[in-house]
This record gives sequence, C-alpha cells and structure tokens, in this order.
Amino acid sequence: SQQGEEDPQALSIQEGENATMNCSYKTSINNLQWYRQNSGRGLVHLILIRSNEREKHSGRLRVTLDTSKKSSSLLITASRAADTASYFCATDEGGSEKLVFGKGTKLTVNP
Amino acid sequence: EAGVVQSPRYKIIEKKQPVAFWCNPISGHNTLYWYLQNLGQGPELLIRYENEEAVDDSQLPKDRFSAERLKGVDSTLKIQPAELGDSAVYLCASSSRRQETQYFGPGTRLLVL
Repeated sequence: SQQGEEDPQALSIQEGENATMNCSYKTSINNLQWYRQNSGRGLVHLILIRSNEREKHSGRLRVTLDTSKKSSSLLITASRAADTASYFCATDEGGSEKLVFGKGTKLTVNP
Repeated sequence: EAGVVQSPRYKIIEKKQPVAFWCNPISGHNTLYWYLQNLGQGPELLIRYENEEAVDDSQLPKDRFSAERLKGVDSTLKIQPAELGDSAVYLCASSSRRQETQYFGPGTRLLVL
C-alpha cells in the first residue's frame, strides 16, 4: 500500500520558475523524506524533515511539514532543465523502519 | 564511495522462466532493501534485511519470489516462474544502522513476454 499521495501528478514549468509539489500521508510519522528519480535511474535522496520540524532548506530546495494536516510540500526555486524528474515523498509508516512511498510528481522543466 | 550496484540493468524473459537479480550494497551498510516499482508508481517494499536476517518480508509473494543475503553483504532476488505481471523495475537500496536515508541502485528493468 502507498502511504503518501503527491499532488499534482504532473507539472510542467519554464526554466527559472518555481515548482511546488505537495504530499499527503495517512498515519503518524517520525520523519518524511523527499527523493528524486531521473528517467531510468534509481532514486536519490534530497531531504529529510523530522516530525518536530516545520521547515527545512537545502540549496534551492525548501520543504515544509504540517503534521496536523498530515501534509508536506517541496519547493524548488529557480528551476533548471536538469530538475526534470519524478519526485517522491516517503514516510516511515507509523514511525516504523519501513519507508512507504507515494506515487510521485513528474516534473518537466522546459528550457 | 561506490554506490549500490545492481545487475543486470535489463532483462527480457518469457513467462514461466526463472530470473534472478543481484545487488551489492554500499560497503558497511547493514540494511538492504528490495523494492518493486511499477510504471507510474512509487517503489513498494518487497523485503528488508538487517545483515543476513530478513526482518520484513511481509510483501514478498513467497509462492514465486525468494531472496537471500548470504554473509550479510550482497543479495539475490529470484522469481520462479515469472509471470507477465512481474514486468517492472526492481530496485535495491541500502542504509547504515540508525540512518533513515536509503541509497538506491539504478534498478533492473524486467520485461516478461
């Protein structure tokens, strides 16, 4: 079963614009992670945010977490064509060691 | 540091044939995961190893799937016999103790005809 649900399923923007993806989940968590997957490749870890954190930054990435709404958002600022990929949120279901992934958001950044 | 290595990268087989995938995790990583990823979906866990012990195999279809991690290092995932619905990408990941981040290999793309 998949815990997280990303929204939108697909997003197409122009280079230089910001991209925002959202993730909703169902159970309590200890942390939420975002991963990127380029076409035909494995997943790459981007950022982890813990349940007691509300916002976290890493380079052009900004992640927010609202545990009361069971939702998170990933913002990529000043997007580049190289950011074209699928982005997945993953949660430790019920605080377990098991990561449960959503279906992902497919981002296309047009040059 | 070398990443997670998987082979083969691609495999095409006929239904009812056996197939095996191999994974070598990052050196020193005690935890190894096998995931199944269908087209347009996120990865779904098949099995998780802590060293050589399978600690979570609840999602592994045990009638046709098997896995082993001898000596607690590399691992093999086998399907016998393969069915059309097994066509997917099989991802291997590893992590070190007490680390939540998982490091993924490039995956094996399986096509069952």
